[in-house]
Amino acid sequence: LAKTTQPISMDSYEGQEVNITCSHNNIATNDYITWYQQFPSQGPRFIIQGYKTKVTNEVASLFIPADRKSSTLSLPRVSLSDTAVYYCLVGALYNQGGKLIFGQGTELSVKP
Amino acid sequence: NAGVTQTPKFQVLKTGQSMTLQCAQDMNHNSMYWYRQDPGMGLRLIYYSASEGTTDKGEVPNGYNVSRLNKREFSLRLESAAPSQTSVYFCASRAGVGNTGELFFGEGSRLTVL
Repeated sequence: LAKTTQPISMDSYEGQEVNITCSHNNIATNDYITWYQQFPSQGPRFIIQGYKTKVTNEVASLFIPADRKSSTLSLPRVSLSDTAVYYCLVGALYNQGGKLIFGQGTELSVKP
Repeated sequence: NAGVTQTPKFQVLKTGQSMTLQCAQDMNHNSMYWYRQDPGMGLRLIYYSASEGTTDKGEVPNGYNVSRLNKREFSLRLESAAPSQTSVYFCASRAGVGNTGELFFGEGSRLTVL
């Protein structure tokens, strides 16, 4: 299982771009990288997923270098409502529900 | 469109009591998971069920048992609750082959053991 390492916390201001990096040195060939967002008293929810290079959706971008040993979640122009904990999860998509282990997550605080 | 439903949402137990947390999903997902989250901490996997009829241990299975009753339901049982099991419990489900592998979470069950 690929272990992930993220910064424990980050601070930002409204309107700034935030980049959160996750390290996953022993990622396997068939592993994908998925990011989740969690607000207090709620379950995590899916943000974005990728395998290599760059993926972009309506809320974030995900950058994955060629060696895939790290990934960076980019949140453009954050607002106060982006204050949450962000988790990087590495695992195979089609392993029929194998272990999915979360890391400690990054607590993002957005200030006005 | 319920998604993943957990019951109860809140429960207070005394040390040594038993209880079962229920989880049901209506998305026809193959895999289901139970996580616990302690205050200020990340999620830790307790047990998971890759498909109906199978269950496997996660990171912290001691003190818990699970049952995959059918494809929809996955229950978590505490046979003799301990204060260390005070936590928020999250159930999640995931579709199988041909999908993104996204986890869908319930709203959580907050358990306090006195």
